[in-house]
Amino acid sequence: EDKVVQSPLSLVVHEGDTVTLNCSYEVTNFRSLLWYKQEKKAPTFLFMLTSSGIEKKSGRLSSILDKKELFSILNITATQTGDSAVYLCANMNRDDKIIFGKGTRLHILP
Amino acid sequence: DSGVTQTPKHLITATGQRVTLRCSPRSGDLSVYWYQQSLDQGLQFLIQYYNGEERAKGNILERFSAQQFPDLHSELNLSSLELGDSALYFCASSVVPGGYEQYFGPGTRLTVT
Repeated sequence: EDKVVQSPLSLVVHEGDTVTLNCSYEVTNFRSLLWYKQEKKAPTFLFMLTSSGIEKKSGRLSSILDKKELFSILNITATQTGDSAVYLCANMNRDDKIIFGKGTRLHILP
Repeated sequence: DSGVTQTPKHLITATGQRVTLRCSPRSGDLSVYWYQQSLDQGLQFLIQYYNGEERAKGNILERFSAQQFPDLHSELNLSSLELGDSALYFCASSVVPGGYEQYFGPGTRLTVT
C-alpha cells in the first residue's frame, strides 16, 4: 500500500535555528513529491521535486529528493516565527493519485 | 488569495442529509482536485477532474460524487451524511494535471450533527 511518512510529527525550536523535516515514501509509479505549508488556512505550495539530487531553493527554504532511498527533506534556515505552521509532504503517482503525509507541526519560539 | 473560490464557507447539516459544495478554479486552470481534511485522517485526496472529465480517484466514498462543468467549476456532492463526514473540504486547481503546482481554495467546513 502506498504511504507517505513524515517525521518528526512536531518540532519546537527557537527563532534563528535551522530545522530539517523528513518525508519518506513508498509509492508505486512515482511521479513527483510536493511540499506544502499550511498555517490556519489552506495549504500553500512550496516545492515540487521530480529528480534525485537536485536541490530546490526559495529564500531560506530548500528541499531535495533521494529517489533511491525514497525520501525527501525540507530545510529551513534562520527560522522566524512566521515559519510556524504544519508542513505537508505529498506524493503524486503516474495515475495522478496523491497521498499526503500527516504533516510536521513546527513551532518557532521568539 | 489563491484565486480559487469555494462556497459555502461553513455548512451545518444533520445526518442522512445531502449537501453540495462548489468550487471555481483559478482563471485558466483546467484541473480541479477535491480533498477532505479531518483531524484523525489528515489531508485525503478524493478526486480529480481535468477539462470536464474524471481523471483520478482517491479515497472517495460511494456516497460522494463530483463533476466538473463546461465552465470548469466543480461540485462535490455528499449524500447520506454521517457524523464522520464532518471535516474541512478543500478544492484545488492547477493549469494541467500531473503534479504541477496546485492552488488551494479556502475550504468548506462541514459539520454533521
